[in-house]
Amino acid sequence: GQNIDQPTEMTATEGAIVQINCTYQTSGFNGLFWYQQHAGEAPTFLSYNVLDGLEEKGRFSSFLSRSKGYSYLLLKELQMKDSASYLCAWRVTGGGNKLTFGTGTQLKVEL
Amino acid sequence: DTEVTQTPKHLVMGMTNKKSLKCEQHMGHRAMYWYKQKAKKPPELMFVYSYEKLSINESVPSRFSPECPNSSLLNLHLHALQPEDSALYLCASSQGGYGNTIYFGEGSWLTVV
Repeated sequence: GQNIDQPTEMTATEGAIVQINCTYQTSGFNGLFWYQQHAGEAPTFLSYNVLDGLEEKGRFSSFLSRSKGYSYLLLKELQMKDSASYLCAWRVTGGGNKLTFGTGTQLKVEL
Repeated sequence: DTEVTQTPKHLVMGMTNKKSLKCEQHMGHRAMYWYKQKAKKPPELMFVYSYEKLSINESVPSRFSPECPNSSLLNLHLHALQPEDSALYLCASSQGGYGNTIYFGEGSWLTVV
């Protein structure tokens, strides 16, 4: 089976750090993506992990542990514009380049 | 430049109409995708074209008909749709068929009345 879980909603304060978790149970895992999606807009690529460890890109970092079936997206120095839905998506071996998305985490950044 | 262009941005159609959604990319990507997204739900894969050939069809009803005229263009032909087909239709592309980041267009909002 292929299940992926994320928290539905999170709230954080401007300037703070927030960690959005994503856990998956799937066979043949072969890469995990994070996308940001503002309401009414298309998903925007944030990061990609295929090996264990941390990938850092400016204010955004993503971590993967394949043995634990776990990833997180870390957002630092939160800004109001970071209020959006954050989607993790995984790709499986032998599935072509098919991505399957989790349900998304709606992040609200407050003053 | 990671631009995928979709037209129209908004489409309203009756259940007996025939319409098409269009997608274009000039990044030299050889894989193109159609995803469907309902409100407050994640995108769901519909079709994948790899090197202009249909490689994945996620058991999509035949009232949706994809077409890839060339490596830069992807169409989605719509016929006899139902109100529950109203959604955001996202086109995407990637450099190759496997192992590459998928980039999305802005989407086409479809309303079936």
